[in-house]
Amino acid sequence: TQLLEQSPQFLSIQEGENLTVYCNSSSVFSSLQWYRQEPGEGPVLLVTVVTGGEVKKLKRLTFQFGDARKDSSLHITAAQPGDTGLYLCAAWSNTGNQFYFGTGTSLTVIP
Amino acid sequence: ETGVTQTPRHLVMGMTNKKSLKCEQHLGHNAMYWYKQSAKKPLELMFVYSLEERVENNSVPSRFSPECPNSSHLFLHLHTLQPEDSALYLCASSQGTGIGYEQYFGPGTRLTVT
Repeated sequence: TQLLEQSPQFLSIQEGENLTVYCNSSSVFSSLQWYRQEPGEGPVLLVTVVTGGEVKKLKRLTFQFGDARKDSSLHITAAQPGDTGLYLCAAWSNTGNQFYFGTGTSLTVIP
Repeated sequence: ETGVTQTPRHLVMGMTNKKSLKCEQHLGHNAMYWYKQSAKKPLELMFVYSLEERVENNSVPSRFSPECPNSSHLFLHLHTLQPEDSALYLCASSQGTGIGYEQYFGPGTRLTVT
């Protein structure tokens, strides 16, 4: 059983399009993070959300934490080729002693 | 050097070999981690060290043996590995462990077991 399920698993879009990536779980998390990993590199943290319903914006990226703190979404506006990469959600358990990564969404933005 | 570095970047080893992966962090952090990233599985946390003491060991086979001689260095000693151990091994560090601490990752070691 995957604790953090991401969808879609793969996404290929044209430059300029919008997209949304989802991270879902049946568990409640104390906080949730989104990372981006480029080929040949380790993941890099994009954002941390901690409050249910919280929305954070990072330039063209909008992150939302679900009200019940069980899910999250990442929306990219006007995608660019530089957005290409593997997007990973990750979360600390409610007890704070376990850290889990999601299944990942591989995004390709075609120029 | 800045951030988190890992050596070697690529490693090919036979099932009877013994090798070690090295990780070094230049961030002054107190916690270090080993993760395994396979093609068909999510990133798996293998080991966590906080202030040079192991605080988490997620049922990792004994053919993987971590060592943390000081807060800046972390090793993963490998022996009698199996082909299914082929993966990207990522090291990370953070100021502390638990909720709210950001982890900084190295570029990984791509391991192939033949």
